[in-house]
Amino acid sequence: GAGVSQSPSNKVTEKGKDVELRCDPISGHTALYWYRQSLGQGLEFLIYFQGNSAPDKSGLPSDRFSAERTGGSVSTLTIQRTQQEDSAVYLCASRPPGQINYGYTFGSGTRLTVV
Amino acid sequence: TQLLEQSPQFLSIQEGENLTVYCNSSSVFSSLQWYRQEPGEGPVLLVTVVTGGEVKKLKRLTFQFGDARKDSSLHITAAQPGDTGLYLCAGELNAGGTSYGKLTFGQGTILTVHP
Repeated sequence: GAGVSQSPSNKVTEKGKDVELRCDPISGHTALYWYRQSLGQGLEFLIYFQGNSAPDKSGLPSDRFSAERTGGSVSTLTIQRTQQEDSAVYLCASRPPGQINYGYTFGSGTRLTVV
Repeated sequence: TQLLEQSPQFLSIQEGENLTVYCNSSSVFSSLQWYRQEPGEGPVLLVTVVTGGEVKKLKRLTFQFGDARKDSSLHITAAQPGDTGLYLCAGELNAGGTSYGKLTFGQGTILTVHP
């Protein structure tokens, strides 16, 4: 597609359940990022994939969070044993190769609510 | 401690007024970007500035990058209700920094322009 696609757009889950969030970046974009945004706030970095390099996981808040990127394209962010503080909008973005100073293209996000 | 301090956090003005949003840091950035986000959507890139002292204009919006590449400002002239939204600054650290390749976001400024 023309843009970054995220699914589901909304997810309500019970505390303690696992959830998977999906991101389909723009074709050919080698860099993929996951951020988390609380209501009306700035973005908190979670994880960054760049080509075949080892991902930068420095922003993952706990070992309940993990992400993978298969075939250099689609990425899945998994949250295990969800807690109420995990409730937020999870945003995915991608960027073309070699364009370090270029902007990100964001998806519309997945709104996660843990009840 | 926030790497990028954005101010003000909230701004409520009348149509036709001018406003300025500030983004400050003690770190030097290779580039600084400004995004605008509407409810239910991901942030959308407005501009990227890369050279110290650079000024870019986008219709009624003027963006400036500080000479030392540590701060930036967004000035809107004659604000309109359509300018309402969340404005985010984001910086990419120098290549020698551990954050190279990913953006660090400010907390955001929620702008409301009343008709």
